[in-house]
Amino acid sequence: DAKTTQPTSMDCAEGRAANLPCNHSTISGNEYVYWYRQIHSQGPQYIIHGLKNNETNEMASLIITEDRKSSTLILPHATLRDTAVYYCIVRADNNAGNMLTFGGGTRLMVKP
Amino acid sequence: ETGVTQTPRHLVMGMTNKKSLKCEQHLGHNAMYWYKQSAKKPLELMFVYSLEERVENNSVPSRFSPECPNSSHLFLHLHTLQPEDSALYLCASSLYQTGAYEQYFGPGTRLTVT
Repeated sequence: DAKTTQPTSMDCAEGRAANLPCNHSTISGNEYVYWYRQIHSQGPQYIIHGLKNNETNEMASLIITEDRKSSTLILPHATLRDTAVYYCIVRADNNAGNMLTFGGGTRLMVKP
Repeated sequence: ETGVTQTPRHLVMGMTNKKSLKCEQHLGHNAMYWYKQSAKKPLELMFVYSLEERVENNSVPSRFSPECPNSSHLFLHLHTLQPEDSALYLCASSLYQTGAYEQYFGPGTRLTVT
């Protein structure tokens, strides 16, 4: 599975959009981009995933560049409860074990 | 509530003790996972079970012994642990097949080895 690069930390004002970037320049054609987050001392929580097209659900939007070498997770109206570590993970669709390799993630701090 | 439960939530044990961590999923999944998260380190995959068979063992010391009696339950048996084994142990479940499928994590067991 391709390696990802994320900023170590970011701040965001409450009520504003949080845009979390992820670089995956070595991504292959059959690899999905996943985003998870982990609130302090809890288990990781699935947010969203995508292959080529932009995706949106009730939690967030995922914007994937046309060359697929980078993506951005957007939390449209960040709240204090969105403070967490956000992980960008790339996984091949033939990875039948659905094994995820977590990196260091981005620590997002939402401030009042 | 993710549909994955773990017990106990906190555990303190001595190096000579034997204890077990339990995980249960109510999602109809057929794959279960154990992860370890040490302080200031990324999550590390320990074991993967699919249809009650172990399919992945990431060079985990033998003092950690997993057991998967059925697709809904997963155990991690612990014996003669070391202080460096103190960590958050997370269980997850998913469907075991190709394609895009998310994992659902439990709340974790915070283990302290004294």
